[in-house]
Formats: sequence, C-alpha cells, structure tokens
Amino acid sequence: KNEVEQSPQNLTAQEGEFITINCSYSVGISALHWLQQHPGGGIVSLFMLSSGKKKHGRLIATINIQEKHSSLHITASHPRDSAVYICAVHNNAGNMLTFGGGTRLMVKP
Amino acid sequence: KAGVTQTPRYLIKTRGQQVTLSCSPISGHRSVSWYQQTPGQGLQFLFEYFSETQRNKGNFPGRFSGRQFSNSRSEMNVSTLELGDSALYLCASSPGTGGFYNEQFFGPGTRLTVL
Repeated sequence: KNEVEQSPQNLTAQEGEFITINCSYSVGISALHWLQQHPGGGIVSLFMLSSGKKKHGRLIATINIQEKHSSLHITASHPRDSAVYICAVHNNAGNMLTFGGGTRLMVKP
Repeated sequence: KAGVTQTPRYLIKTRGQQVTLSCSPISGHRSVSWYQQTPGQGLQFLFEYFSETQRNKGNFPGRFSGRQFSNSRSEMNVSTLELGDSALYLCASSPGTGGFYNEQFFGPGTRLTVL
C-alpha cells in the first residue's frame, strides 16, 4: 500500500461544477503540499498546510491530521483548471517528501 | 524575479553513459531539491541541497549524485545510465531555510531519454 493515496485518479467535470480531490496518507507528517501540474510538465505549488484550511481564489484545501486526510476543492471549475493535481507529504522528521500518484482533472466547457 | 531554470530541457543518451543536469534557483533561494518523475513511479524525491550541503536524500542508488555551488546553482549527475532512468527531472528552489517547510518553486524540468 502506498504511503500517499489520491482519489479519484481521473476526473471529468463540466465547467462550473464543484470539484473535490482527496488525499489520504498513512505516515505521521509535519505538513502536506498540493501541487498542480499542467501538460508539458510545469509544476506550481498551490498550498502547504499542516492544519485547518486554506483558501486562494477558487481553491480551498483542508487537512484533518487525526484522520490523515486532506481535500482540495475547486469551486466554479473552469477549463483552465484542467491539470494533474498532486499531493505530497513530508514526514515528521522533515527529511522526506512523498508524493501521491496524482489526480488528472479535465474540465469541459 | 526570474524563475527556476533548468538546462538542458531535453537530452538523449545511451545506456552506460553519464549525464549532468543543471538547475539555477530563484535569486536568493539557498535550497534546491531534485525530483524524478516517471509514468510508472510518479514523482519521487531525489535529494535536497542547502548552502552547498546535501541535507536530505531519497531512496535512489548511488549512481545518482548531486552538488551545489556557492551561488546556489545545483547539478545532478547520473552515472552508468539505465533505460529506467528515462524520466522528467525537476528541480525546485525554496526560500528561507528551505526544505519542505517552505513553498517549493519548480523549474520546467529536463526530459531525459535513455536509449
């Protein structure tokens, strides 16, 4: 079993829909990152969080440390949100970053 | 500020050869991390350098090595290339004391193909 699991692996949505991507992990962590990777490979860091909730524009990330679970929400989705979303956790020692397998999102107009 | 740059962007090598990839971080960033991305294994952490010292290392064989210079530029080297080393190699820099406690700024990557 992978240390970091994401679901779903693939997601297709219509423009305007509310989207949720989930990330579960099995190790103790000090923080969790959400990343966005567009076709062509470029990666952008969206959030880093260790507790609670963060919001940036239409994106919201939450984390529940006790349940070892994080969610990334996209409100009013748009075709430009189409990308692969990756969660990554760093362990308590802070010396290792482990990635989930990614969620491929396609938003259709 | 210029972003993270990586050179070359594309590279083709044959098995047994060695390769050196370069990463220039954002000005002022002293931490540089390297990652390998393959279709089968996804993203994996290779190593992290801070102020010319390797601070953290992932689970890769000794054929993978790196270094960081006094200007924070970093290189990674893969010796005795194998077909499985074909991947997108990404570097990221981060501000402050660096590492995974700060936001990572990723470069565009170097796509290595081993024939």
